[in-house]
Amino acid sequence: QVQLVQSGAEVKKPGASVKISCKASGYIFINYFIHWVRQTPGQGLEWVGTINASGGGVRSAPRFEGRVTLTTDTSTSTVHMEMSSLKSEDSAVYYCTRAPWGVSIDYWGQGTPVTVSS
Amino acid sequence: DIQMTQSPSSLSASVGDRVTITCRASQAIRNDLGWYQQKPGEAPRRLIYAASWLQSGVPSRFSGSGSGTEFSLTISSLQPEDFATYFCLQHNSYPWTFGQGTKVE
Repeated sequence: QVQLVQSGAEVKKPGASVKISCKASGYIFINYFIHWVRQTPGQGLEWVGTINASGGGVRSAPRFEGRVTLTTDTSTSTVHMEMSSLKSEDSAVYYCTRAPWGVSIDYWGQGTPVTVSS
Repeated sequence: DIQMTQSPSSLSASVGDRVTITCRASQAIRNDLGWYQQKPGEAPRRLIYAASWLQSGVPSRFSGSGSGTEFSLTISSLQPEDFATYFCLQHNSYPWTFGQGTKVE
């Protein structure tokens, strides 16, 4: 079955970076996009960006451009999301999700809580 | 960015009730919309894709409709396990955007 398994919770100080991994299994990795979504109690769900798992292309939401780096490792079926210059407002649960091209998200990882606090 | 306006933000319902949730897009998005259910402490799960197609394994009491800018999710007869938060997602253009969610309680 399709599984997206994310790395564990993180606690970071303002200005630091965080890198979250997402290991996929149960399907042909390179045939799908991985989208990152974050969720906060106040702001709800927010799309962060996407990467073609085969390594073809990356898009980020404008508000994250320059701060988010998405990478894919086809040898291990793993995608990484790195966010830099963290602020307290970046505290959220970050989800790794899967979507076929042209279709909405169909599977979600378990989520990775990130806390940014001094 | 395409704004997704979801209503209501919450609703109170009883088992057996018919429930309808609406999402309105700030510009036409064809049928590029999905509906999701989320329970506390869990990741969301998709109920509907392409506005009206039922995800495999999802009970038939869930249905979706709409195209362009107006979309709705209907639960024909609310069951105890349906008390949750529901939200829509447009994937017509980047950045993808979500509705603010509807809590069914």
